[in-house]
Amino acid sequence: NAGVTQTPKFQVLKTGQSMTLQCAQDMNHNSMYWYRQDPGMGLRLIYYSASEGTTDKGEVPNGYNVSRLNKREFSLRLESAAPSQTSVYFCASILAGARNEQYFGPGTRLTVT
Amino acid sequence: AQKVTQAQTEISVVEKEDVTLDCVYETRDTTYYLFWYKQPPSGELVFLIRRNSFDEQNEISGRYSWNFQKSTSSFNFTITASQVVDSAVYFCALRGIGDSGAGSYQLTFGKGTKLSVIP
Repeated sequence: NAGVTQTPKFQVLKTGQSMTLQCAQDMNHNSMYWYRQDPGMGLRLIYYSASEGTTDKGEVPNGYNVSRLNKREFSLRLESAAPSQTSVYFCASILAGARNEQYFGPGTRLTVT
Repeated sequence: AQKVTQAQTEISVVEKEDVTLDCVYETRDTTYYLFWYKQPPSGELVFLIRRNSFDEQNEISGRYSWNFQKSTSSFNFTITASQVVDSAVYFCALRGIGDSGAGSYQLTFGKGTKLSVIP
């Protein structure tokens, strides 16, 4: 099992450019999440997908869109990147069940200039 | 609303010292889960432990131990005889089982404590 994979690992964008961050899990998990991590801020939830076909906003959704393509894949799109979106992005997934831990991908380091 | 506070932003200790990382939480839910994650310098997030709100037993795993006290809403993490490999950012997180959307299983994270163990 690869667990949770994310592509790309690093990306530099210019202000106004768009891009999609990809996330896939091979653990047959139901719920998937996108977080951003900024220095001194911990991890903040951007969007999540409780199950295939559903998506919901988290704490900081502005400037992002998501797609739950199928049970395995959950992508995060920046339509018009801004310097404030410079961050490390983590995807996570969980098997249904409140006691279960989230499994995290390795992260994508995004810089917007 | 849920909140997790890790008041210690950064801690430095000398190798072999013991160190305790504090975590205080707020939730209105009567059923909830608490988690600790480790983020080493390589950047990945590693799950360490979970605890549910009905289980106040302390847990020990090797050099790691966790003290859960409902009365003070705290879930503190102690590393005994610290080692350089313990240098990392440690996150405490909370999942309340209340009015979250069904199946959301969201986590609320603290801001993390950066631990540096000096040889």
